[in-house]
Amino acid sequence: GAVVSQHPSWVICKSGTSVKIECRSLDFQATTMFWYRQFPKQSLMLMATSNEGSKATYEQGVEKDKFLINHASLTLSTLTVTSAHPEDSSFYICSARDSGDHEQFFGPGTRLTVL
Amino acid sequence: GENVEQHPSTLSVQEGDSAVIKCTYSDSASNYFPWYKQELGKGPQLIIDIRSNVGEKKDQRIAVTLNKTAKHFSLHITETQPEDSAVYFCAVINFGNEKLTFGTGTRLTIIP
Repeated sequence: GAVVSQHPSWVICKSGTSVKIECRSLDFQATTMFWYRQFPKQSLMLMATSNEGSKATYEQGVEKDKFLINHASLTLSTLTVTSAHPEDSSFYICSARDSGDHEQFFGPGTRLTVL
Repeated sequence: GENVEQHPSTLSVQEGDSAVIKCTYSDSASNYFPWYKQELGKGPQLIIDIRSNVGEKKDQRIAVTLNKTAKHFSLHITETQPEDSAVYFCAVINFGNEKLTFGTGTRLTIIP
């Protein structure tokens, strides 16, 4: 199956700093990428949908100025958590989908801890 | 928007027995129903999926059944093994908006 990678797998940062998470599709072109957040023992919640070359669409309640998403190429999307605070600590997971297919392939996730 | 309920939240099964997890959804326009397995600290992995024009699909020990009229679908795992222990999520998608809505998850524990 298709492979999606994320980097870093975990990151610890100080409150007020910004953190960038990368999501790459390794063996297919991802016309659409999705970013999810998962708190401990909870389900995945969609944060935003990004299509290559266009602005991301954010879900209700997700601050677009805080969670910056860039999908500049068909194999790379980045999520930047700006001015991170302890409440942003979570497991961030991306997924990628090729055009014409409905299956989403998930990355391994990034554990963010904000001190 | 779509609402997906999943039951049970936890399930313990003796090794070798079967496990069944059920999900209900609200949007009758939904037409793709995947099931994911998530191990601790990892992203979810697709284990089986079914589309709305099919009532049942099987892949070795795993099967999924869909009742579109009642708007519910179920995951069946037979001959369970310790490596089946994980959290399982159902999900629903409407091809119109392509957004996955996840169920609340089921923590499955296989007792050796």
